[in-house]
Amino acid sequence: EVQLVESGGGLVQPGGSLRLSCAASGFTFSNYWMHWVRQAPGKGLVWVSRINSDGSDTRYADSVKGRFTISRDNAKNTLYLQMNSLRVEDTAVYYCARVEDYWGQGTLVTVSS
Amino acid sequence: QSVLTQPPSASGTPGQRVTISCSGSSSNIGSNYVYWYQQLPGTAPKLLIYRNNQRPSGVPDRFSGSRSGTSASLAISGLRSEDEADYYCAAWDDSLSGHWVFGGGTKLTVL
Repeated sequence: EVQLVESGGGLVQPGGSLRLSCAASGFTFSNYWMHWVRQAPGKGLVWVSRINSDGSDTRYADSVKGRFTISRDNAKNTLYLQMNSLRVEDTAVYYCARVEDYWGQGTLVTVSS
Repeated sequence: QSVLTQPPSASGTPGQRVTISCSGSSSNIGSNYVYWYQQLPGTAPKLLIYRNNQRPSGVPDRFSGSRSGTSASLAISGLRSEDEADYYCAAWDDSLSGHWVFGGGTKLTVL
């Protein structure tokens, strides 16, 4: 059974940092591109970032470019999102996903003073 | 402002058929598969339709999808109270080295 389990969310002050993790199981993690998608409270889904299967290529939404870094450890079957210089508008549930099929349950990031 | 355009709301009575539209462009729906998700309050999106019109195992055949040109639609027949949820369309977009784009979501109310 495919599972994606996010962790690392929480409350952080504006300008702070957080690192999200996503533990993958039930499939060959190293074969798949992976994505982070976020959903602000009461709003829709927004793609944040993606990484190719070996981690050599990454892309970001303009809203997070230069502040967020996606990475992966294929030996640990884990996806990461390092979030720096956080803003109030980054408050959202962050989902780790293959998007075309499997999604995690999400982890809530709240940026507030 | 979402890249894909969906109506913000839709409604129907039990047993009715409802459709939800999703409009995009040549760089997304026009050249790539469309996916549909159902999201119940407080839960993660659940895949309903993949590759325009394919249903994952376990999804009732009351749900169907179609694509034509740069638009797509989700149809739900025999509407049930448990279908009340938010529905999102998504597609890969070839611009900017490739990324996923989503619709703004449609809140379906079963009257």
